[in-house]
Amino acid sequence: ETGVTQTPRHLVMGMTNKKSLKCEQHLGHNAMYWYKQSAKKPLELMFVYSLEERVENNSVPSRFSPECPNSSHLFLHLHTLQPEDSALYLCASSQDPAGGFRAYNEQFFGPGTRLTVL
Amino acid sequence: AQKITQTQPGMFVQEKEAVTLDCTYDTSDPSYGLFWYKQPSSGEMIFLIYQGSYDQQNATEGRYSLNFQKARKSANLVISASQLGDSAMYFCAMKGENQGGKLIFGQGTELSVKP
Repeated sequence: ETGVTQTPRHLVMGMTNKKSLKCEQHLGHNAMYWYKQSAKKPLELMFVYSLEERVENNSVPSRFSPECPNSSHLFLHLHTLQPEDSALYLCASSQDPAGGFRAYNEQFFGPGTRLTVL
Repeated sequence: AQKITQTQPGMFVQEKEAVTLDCTYDTSDPSYGLFWYKQPSSGEMIFLIYQGSYDQQNATEGRYSLNFQKARKSANLVISASQLGDSAMYFCAMKGENQGGKLIFGQGTELSVKP
């Protein structure tokens, strides 16, 4: 596997279910990100992990719970979601630790998980 | 506040012609980077091109070039010799010096290339 991978690619769940999204990066990067992409809206940054520590949490509801066990893996645990949480969830990674700044370090994205909440 | 604006929800271009996708931005950071990503229907965001705020020359990557006008705070993407495979959503994004590495995205432009 190369780049950033995400599983599953598609997920349908009821509001009472518990599920997890998985992201894995094979690039040796230091920072990982979760984004939410809803229809007709810009990408919304949800969480940022730098060197396995959470450095950003953009007022995301507690029904979304991230986990970063090591620098290569990132999870998003889902429970008691709402229909408006249906969206494409994208994972990304970058070389620079998120607390630092090197403008030229682009983020590499995975293919996303398309989530539908019934 | 950081903001990216893409005013063209959808664009059409004839195959083999050039097309310009607009992007304006707003930031108070003295140093920043501007990015363009392509998102095909498969969903993956593909990095296309980068422009640093202090770069003297406009960035180019193959058929992609960035028309950077700092005073006007615009960073338009130019795609030359359009191909059918260029049909996709295109997102402009910015990363500011004081924003902890966060990328801010615009609304996107859907480009359709006609044969």
